[in-house]
Formats: sequence, C-alpha cells, structure tokens
Amino acid sequence: GGIITQTPKFLIGQEGQKLTLKCQQNFNHDTMYWYRQDSGKGLRLIYYSITENDLQKGDLSEGYDASREKKSSFSLTVTSAQKNEMAVFLCASSMGGGAETLYFGSGTRLTVL
Amino acid sequence: GNSVTQMQGQVTLSEEEFLFINCTYSTTGYPTLFWYVQYPGEGPQLLLKVTTANNKGSSRGFEATYDKGTTSFHLQKASVQESDSAVYYCVLAHDSGYNKLTFGKGTVLLVSP
Repeated sequence: GGIITQTPKFLIGQEGQKLTLKCQQNFNHDTMYWYRQDSGKGLRLIYYSITENDLQKGDLSEGYDASREKKSSFSLTVTSAQKNEMAVFLCASSMGGGAETLYFGSGTRLTVL
Repeated sequence: GNSVTQMQGQVTLSEEEFLFINCTYSTTGYPTLFWYVQYPGEGPQLLLKVTTANNKGSSRGFEATYDKGTTSFHLQKASVQESDSAVYYCVLAHDSGYNKLTFGKGTVLLVSP
C-alpha cells in the first residue's frame, strides 16, 4: 500500500501572510487534489493536477495557488490568509479521474490569527 | 446541477442498534456513488462504491443500495459498534471528469457503549 503525507499538521498564520502546505504520495498516482474541509460544509475542491506540471482549478481556487513540480508532490499556497479563517486542508490522490477511489492524507489544520 | 443531500447532521446510537443514514442526489446520466468514512484525526477513506451496473455495495457490515427511482443511496448497518463513530460522506461522481465529485455535508455518527 501507499501513504499520503501532509506537512505541517498544524499551521498558524497571521492575516495577510502567504502560507504553503505540502503533500507527498508514494502510490505513484497520476492525479492529485487539494480539498478544503469546513465544519458542516463537506469537502470542496480547490485545485487538482492530472500529471506533473499540470494544474486545474476547482470550485474554490480564488485566493490559492498550487504547484506540481514532481509526480509525487503537490503543494498549495494560501496567497493572503484571512483573519479568523479556520479550516482543514486535505490532499488526495487517485489513479485516474472522477470515479476512481481517492486516497486522502490526514490533513493540515489552518488557523489564522 | 449536481447535488448530494444528507439531511442528518448527526446520528446518536447505542451499540448494537440499527444505523440508517439518509442520502439523496440529483444528477443526469448514470452516476457512480460512494460512501467515505472519516475517523477522528484522519482523512476520509473509501467505505464502499456502487455503480449502476451492480446497484448494491457492502463493506465491513455496511450496505448501500443505489435506487435510481428515488435517487437515493442510503447507508445501513444492522448493528453498530463504538468503533463506527466517525463522519460519513455520501459522494457522487457524475461523469468521468477529474473534478466531477460532489460531496454531501457529512453525517456525524456517535455510538455510545
């Protein structure tokens, strides 16, 4: 089996700060995703990537950038953190597209002071 | 558009009771439907998956049946255990596109011993 590693597990930032979240997978999967999880709202897709150096916007991409420089890694940048923002960011990977099983990391919990 | 509705925000049961979590969906065509489970401190993981070809899925004592007539995909388990306490997400994949997953808002299951 494989594993998805997200770093850091907890991230505390200041308003207006640029913050970067990292994700590594050893499944050798082609597709990687970033989701945002807010209490009571389910998961919403921020960015996804179907191969190295590819980036596709999801429903919630405004305020975020992403980077896929290697097949095994996918990073997400919060371009300007919003005060009182609190959410969990989940990275996932899959072999292919929409009906494939997603494998998730355990998340990065963001708090903005 | 595509949507998934989980009306129950939280379900509270005692061990060995019957579990029923409601899920209805709206889409066109022939979707693939999933239940993902998220245990505390972890990312979501696949519980079961159903396509229009097989109509019913089961895993670890959980069952879900895809009903195209009522557009429902309810999750059931005959006898819950305390270890089943988690958040359960109903998920719709409505075509083969990479970003075509729609998550419900999730149902928190609390099982007391």
